[in-house]
Amino acid sequence: EVQLVESGGGLVQPGGSLRLSCAASGFTFSGHWMTWVRQAPGKGLEWVATIKLDGSQTFYVDSLKGRFTISRDNAKNSLYLQMNSLRGEDTAVYYCARHLLGQRSFDYWGQGTLVTVSS
Amino acid sequence: QSALTQPASVSGSPGQSITISCTGTTSDVGGYDFVSWYQQHPGKAPKLIINDVIQRPSGVSNRFSGSKSGNTASLTISGLQAEDEADYYCSSYSSGDTAVFGGGTKLTVL
Repeated sequence: EVQLVESGGGLVQPGGSLRLSCAASGFTFSGHWMTWVRQAPGKGLEWVATIKLDGSQTFYVDSLKGRFTISRDNAKNSLYLQMNSLRGEDTAVYYCARHLLGQRSFDYWGQGTLVTVSS
Repeated sequence: QSALTQPASVSGSPGQSITISCTGTTSDVGGYDFVSWYQQHPGKAPKLIINDVIQRPSGVSNRFSGSKSGNTASLTISGLQAEDEADYYCSSYSSGDTAVFGGGTKLTVL
């Protein structure tokens, strides 16, 4: 059974940093692109970043470039999102999602982890 | 990377059909056949219901169908059921290996 379990969310002050993790199981992690999507309270989904198979290629939404870094460790079946210089508008549930094999859609999602940026 | 445009809400009675539109540009919806649709119930993670414009993943009801014309994609739900009440989001591949979502549509089953 495919499982994606996010962790690392919590309350952080503006300007702080946080590292989210996503533990994958039930499939060949190294064979799938992975993505982070976030959802602010009461708002819609926002694509954040995507990483290809070996981590050598990464892509970000323009508004977050330079502050967020997506990475993966295929040996540990884990996906990460390093978030720096956090702002109030970064408050959201962060989901990790698996790409459908060889495609651009997301066929499995984690349950999400809540990040709250507030003083 | 502007969000795709969806109606904020749609509604229909049980048994009826509804269609949700998703409008983008030639850099996303109109340029690639990589439009997907997601269903999200309150407090839950999104669920993939349509990929590559018209493909239905295994296990998804055949009451859900997708299409595309030019820069606008559409999701049609036929034979509406109470359990279809949810938020629906479109997403498209966009130039530069990025992705973009629509603002979401709240479906109310009357």
